[in-house]
Formats: sequence, C-alpha cells, structure tokens
Amino acid sequence: AQKVTQAQTEISVVEKEDVTLDCVYETRDTTYYLFWYKQPPSGELVFLIRRNSFDEQNEISGRYSWNFQKSTSSFNFTITASQVVDSAVYFCALSEAALTTDSWGKLQFGAGTQVVVTP
Amino acid sequence: EAQVTQNPRYLITVTGKKLTVTCSQNMNHEYMSWYRQDPGLGLRQIYYSMNVEVTDKGDVPEGYKVSRKEKRNFPLILESPSPNQTSLYFCASRGTVFSYEQYFGPGTRLTVT
Repeated sequence: AQKVTQAQTEISVVEKEDVTLDCVYETRDTTYYLFWYKQPPSGELVFLIRRNSFDEQNEISGRYSWNFQKSTSSFNFTITASQVVDSAVYFCALSEAALTTDSWGKLQFGAGTQVVVTP
Repeated sequence: EAQVTQNPRYLITVTGKKLTVTCSQNMNHEYMSWYRQDPGLGLRQIYYSMNVEVTDKGDVPEGYKVSRKEKRNFPLILESPSPNQTSLYFCASRGTVFSYEQYFGPGTRLTVT
C-alpha cells in the first residue's frame, strides 16, 4: 500500500526566511510519480511539480527547489526567501504507475503542511 | 481553455436531502475521480472512473454514488447526506493510462447541517 507522510503540520516563518517542507513516502512499486501541490487560502489546488522515480535530479524553479532522494524515500520542497504570497497549504502526493496495482491512477496525498509567512 | 469545472462551488444543505455535485472536463480525458479533503487527512479518493460506464470505489466510497454516462461528465451523488460528509470536494481528470498529471477542478465546499 502506498503512503505519504508530511510530519510538519504547520511552519511559521518571517518573510525572506527559507522554509523546507518534508515529504516521506512508501510504495512497493518501482515506477511511481511524486507531486507537490499548493493550496492558497482561496482553496484551489495549484500543481507545482511532478517527478518520476527514475529521475533523481534535483530541480529548481525560481525560489522553489525540490530534493528527491530515493534512498531515504523523501521528496522535500524548499522555498527560498519566502514571501507572504507563499502562505498556503502544501501537499505532497504519490501516484503508482503499474497498471496491476489496485491504486493505479490514484493520487495518494499527505496530510499537508500549512506555511504561514509573516511580514 | 483546458479545464475541469464543478458546480456548485458552495453548498449548504440539510441531513438527508439528496444532492448532486457536477463535474465536467473539456479535455476528452478517460480517467476521472473524486476526492474529499478534510483537515489533517489531506485528500482521499472517493470514486474513480477509467472510462464511460466504468467506475470503481476509492478509499472512502461510503455514502456516495457516481455515474459516467458520458466521457466529459462525472457527477457525485449524495443520496442521503450526513454531517460527516461536510468537506471540500475536488473532481480531477487525467488523459490516458500513460499521463500522470491530474487536472483538478476548483473545489466544492459542502456543509451538511
């Protein structure tokens, strides 16, 4: 069975500080996809990144960066020089790729981490 | 514009009054699903559909029904809503068996009193 753990319920930072969100996952599938979504106070889900299990390269997109470590089953997300607009709930999610699994197609979400950035 | 739409966006209802939340996508996607979001639990899959007339239960199907008569539509039906179904609901779609990006609707906030 697949599982995603986001142990941090809430993180509060002051603007310009860096913040790292942890994500640990469990899966028996060898091929899978990992995602991060942002949910601002307005409620919609905003797709941030998708990473497949064969691509362990870290990725940077502006102030966002992601660290994928298969050896520790982690896919952590860092916001550099945080801004008030980064205040949101962030979800990590996993999707197994094998058609034979019962959970194929399903996104397994973590509980989410609330990030609060104060001026 | 490629999108998933849901209606209504907000709904307050009473226990036992049947309701339907509609979901429609304009991308000709085969796979559609419903999730509910609750504090501390993240999003959990309710039902999914791999194509027209093919639906199956997700992790939390109790109290819900779905149908997939057309490729673009995937309504969520609550025959007899109860307060524990108060939640934020998301519809999602993805293209084919080989596409792993899910497109989410804007969400429907449901309150059952």
